[in-house]
Amino acid sequence: EIVLTQSPATLSLSPGETATLSCRASQSVLNLLAWYQQRPGQVPRLLIYDASNRATGIPARFSGSGSGTDFTLTISSLEPEDFAVYYCQQRNIWPPITFGHGTRLDI
Amino acid sequence: EVQLVESGGGLVQPGGSLRLSCAASGFSFSSYAMTWVRQAPGKGLEWVSGISGRDSGYGTWTHYADSAKGRFTISRDDSKNTLYLEMNSLRAEDTAVYHCVKVLKPASSDIVFDSWGQGILVTVSS
Repeated sequence: EIVLTQSPATLSLSPGETATLSCRASQSVLNLLAWYQQRPGQVPRLLIYDASNRATGIPARFSGSGSGTDFTLTISSLEPEDFAVYYCQQRNIWPPITFGHGTRLDI
Repeated sequence: EVQLVESGGGLVQPGGSLRLSCAASGFSFSSYAMTWVRQAPGKGLEWVSGISGRDSGYGTWTHYADSAKGRFTISRDDSKNTLYLEMNSLRAEDTAVYHCVKVLKPASSDIVFDSWGQGILVTVSS
């Protein structure tokens, strides 16, 4: 099973700043990694797939990079609605599909 | 607009059974692989099970997380646009909100979670 480790667990920033979230895989997942945002009380929303492709309707301030075992989600010019929990997910070697434990982005 | 509406959850005793349903609309249901993902209260996301859609490129398949294997059965009725999860031998650790989730691309086995139902709460307790 591929383990995804997200860091930091919690990130405290202010609106307008840039957030950098990390996801590290226990073995290569090629570029088959996605990122999701979950706001309080809401279902997860797909942000990025295949490491760097923005999903439909996702603002350009969200960007993803990386391949192999190390991935980054960058959120520039943070907006108040960006404060949420972010999960990474791999689909290279499955079952099982695995998620990271999440990074909470706090104001 | 894609809509996924789960039903069938509730309170069940340990060892009991439940059958979850997910009514899908707004897309060509039969063409998409479908999955169940759960979230225990205050916890992260856990993939539970998936089932292939038509022409997935890898034949027909069903897959399960180890935590579900042997106890849960995923199925679908494309004539009714409905996904199911039969859950047996339920344990306290199965307590979670269960989401029905559509994958991103049709005729594909690429598991990218695209559209999520609001979820249904399953509580396993005596």
